[in-house]
Amino acid sequence: DAGVIQSPRHEVTEMGQEVTLRCKPISGHDYLFWYRQTMMRGLELLIYFNNNVPIDDSGMPEDRFSAKMPNASFSTLKIQPSEPRDSAVYFCASSLDRYQPQHFGDGTRLSIL
Amino acid sequence: AQSVTQPDIHITVSEGASLELRCNYSYGATPYLFWYVQSPGQGLQLLLKYFSGDTLVQGIKGFEAEFKRSQSSFNLRKPSVHWSDAAEYFCAVGAGGSYIPTFGRGTSLIVHP
Repeated sequence: DAGVIQSPRHEVTEMGQEVTLRCKPISGHDYLFWYRQTMMRGLELLIYFNNNVPIDDSGMPEDRFSAKMPNASFSTLKIQPSEPRDSAVYFCASSLDRYQPQHFGDGTRLSIL
Repeated sequence: AQSVTQPDIHITVSEGASLELRCNYSYGATPYLFWYVQSPGQGLQLLLKYFSGDTLVQGIKGFEAEFKRSQSSFNLRKPSVHWSDAAEYFCAVGAGGSYIPTFGRGTSLIVHP
C-alpha cells in the first residue's frame, strides 16, 4: 500500500508569497494530522481532522495558516503571507482512528527567504 | 496539562553496545504509548506501541520497550546497537479525552564504530 504522500518535498519561496502544502493520506484512514518540525520547538501538532472535519486547530500559530480537507483523500496546508520564521519541515500523518499509530509522510522542507 | 519528557537530547553509544532511551509522561489515566524513529530527511516510522497487556513490548529492528506504571515511564531498549540505528527517536503518549498523542522532543542517537 502507498503511504502518506506529501508534495512538494522541497519549497523555496520569498517572504510574502502564498505557500500551499499538499497531503494524500492512506486510504481508509479517518484521521489526518499536520505537524511542523523545527530545531527550536521540536514536533508541533498544528491541526487534525476526523472524517474531513477539523477537530482541533489550536496549534495553528497564526491566522496566516489555514488547512482544509475537501475530501477523504486530500488535504492542504496554506500559509499566506509567508514569513521567514515559517521555515520548517511540515509533516502530514494519518491514522485509522485516534488510538492507532500515525503514519507519517516524508515531509515538505519549506524555506522562506 | 499532559506532558512527555525525553530527558536525553543526545546519546552516544558504540556499535554493539546496549541502548536505553528514556521516556517519562504525566497523565492520570492509562495511556497509549508509542516509540517512533526518524532518519534524516524522512518522516517518523513506528517502532512499537503499547495499549494494554504485557508491559514488555517488542518492536521492529530488534527494539523493545517496557511500560512501568509506577514510574510513569516507557523506556526503549536494544541489546546491541548497529550503526544504522543512528537516528532521532521520539516517544509519544496518548491519553485523556482525545487520546491524540503528544510527542516528546526527541533523543538523537549517535553510534560510534
